[in-house]
Order: sequence, then structure tokens, then C-alpha cells
Amino acid sequence: QVQLQQWGAGLLKPSETLSLTCAVYGGSFSGYYWNWIRQPPGKGLEWIGEINHSGSTNYNSSLKSRVTISVDTSKNQFSLKLSSVTAADTAVYFCARAPYYSDSSGYSYYYMDVWGEGTTVTVSS
Amino acid sequence: EIVMTQSPATLSVSPGERATLSCRASQSVSSNLAWYQQKPGQAPRLLIYGASTRATGIPARFSGSGYGTEFTLTISSLQSEDFAVYYCQQYNNWPKTFGQGTKVEVK
Repeated sequence: QVQLQQWGAGLLKPSETLSLTCAVYGGSFSGYYWNWIRQPPGKGLEWIGEINHSGSTNYNSSLKSRVTISVDTSKNQFSLKLSSVTAADTAVYFCARAPYYSDSSGYSYYYMDVWGEGTTVTVSS
Repeated sequence: EIVMTQSPATLSVSPGERATLSCRASQSVSSNLAWYQQKPGQAPRLLIYGASTRATGIPARFSGSGYGTEFTLTISSLQSEDFAVYYCQQYNNWPKTFGQGTKVEVK
């Protein structure tokens, strides 16, 4: 059964770079998109971006200028970097796996089925 | 960006009763919609994908329906473990977007 284990610095100062890593255990790394999602305290979920094993990425345009998602297939890991953080970036950050299904046109749609436990990141001076 | 709107914000239901949660998309997402359950301090749990397909291990009391812009999650008979926040999410277009959530609480 696949498990996602995530880690990274939990306390940052404004203007620093957030860095988180998610490791995939017990399952294939290829054939999926690997996602990052965040949840500010007491609020809803915001999708940050995703990457596949080949390194193809999609980002939320609201964060695109500050976000980099990368992959290390040799370790079955993927990572998130978010630069120039502010207090507004304080949130629980989740990683998630996204399998797909295809429609009659052959287009693939990726939904998130397995999630990491979350990492709390606080930005404070 | 597709905006997902859930209603109601809070639903008060007695154990054993039926709960009906709604989700509306600002434009068509076909059937590319998922429902998640989240309990305090936990990660979201996938319940439904493809608008109506239950994820592995999800009890049959959870069912999803809808297409295009209108979707429904129904819990046929609420159990104590079902009191939580529920989110819908579209993955038809980028960016993937979530509704603001519906809290199902004990009446």
C-alpha cells in the first residue's frame, strides 16, 4: 500500500524560501502526477502544483512566479520550493498522488487519491 | 479559474439521517469532480472521483451524482464517524480548484 512521507522546515522568516520533500513508499512512481496542496489555518484547500516522473509540471498561476516543483526519480521523491514567503504562506502543506483515467478522446484526468499527513509551515519574524 | 461553490456551509444532521451536500462549478467540469472528507488534524480522504465512483474502501452509504456544473454528495445514513468537513474539487481544468467546504455537524 502506497504511503507518502513528507518533511521540511516548519518555521520560516519572511522572504525566506520554503522547502518540503515528499517520499513515496510502496508503490510505483511513474504513471502518476505528484501534487502539492496547502491549507491555511481554519481555511480551505488550495492546489499549488504538480509534477510527473518525467518532470512535466503544472502550477497554480496565483503562485507560479514563486513555486518550483522538482522530482528525484532515483529516490522516489518530489519537492516543493516556494520563494519569498510571507505570513500569508502560513499553512499546512500536503503532498498527494494523482492517478488518472482517460475519456473517449484519450485525454487523461488526474484526481488525488493518496495524501501525505501534512507539514505545518509557519512564517513569522 | 473555475470557481467551486458548496452549499450549505454547515449542515446539522442527526445520526442515522440522510445528508445531501451540493457543489456547483462556475463552468462545466464534465464528470471530472472529486469529493473529499477531512477531519480535524488529518489529511483529506478521497471519497468519490469521476463524480460518482467510490474510492477504494469507501462505504456504500456515500454516493455522488451530477455532471457539468451541478453535483451532489449523499450520505444515506450518517454514522458518528461521518461528522467532518467535505470538499468538492474539480480536476477538469488547471488550476485544480476546491470548494470552500461543507461542515456536517451533529444536530
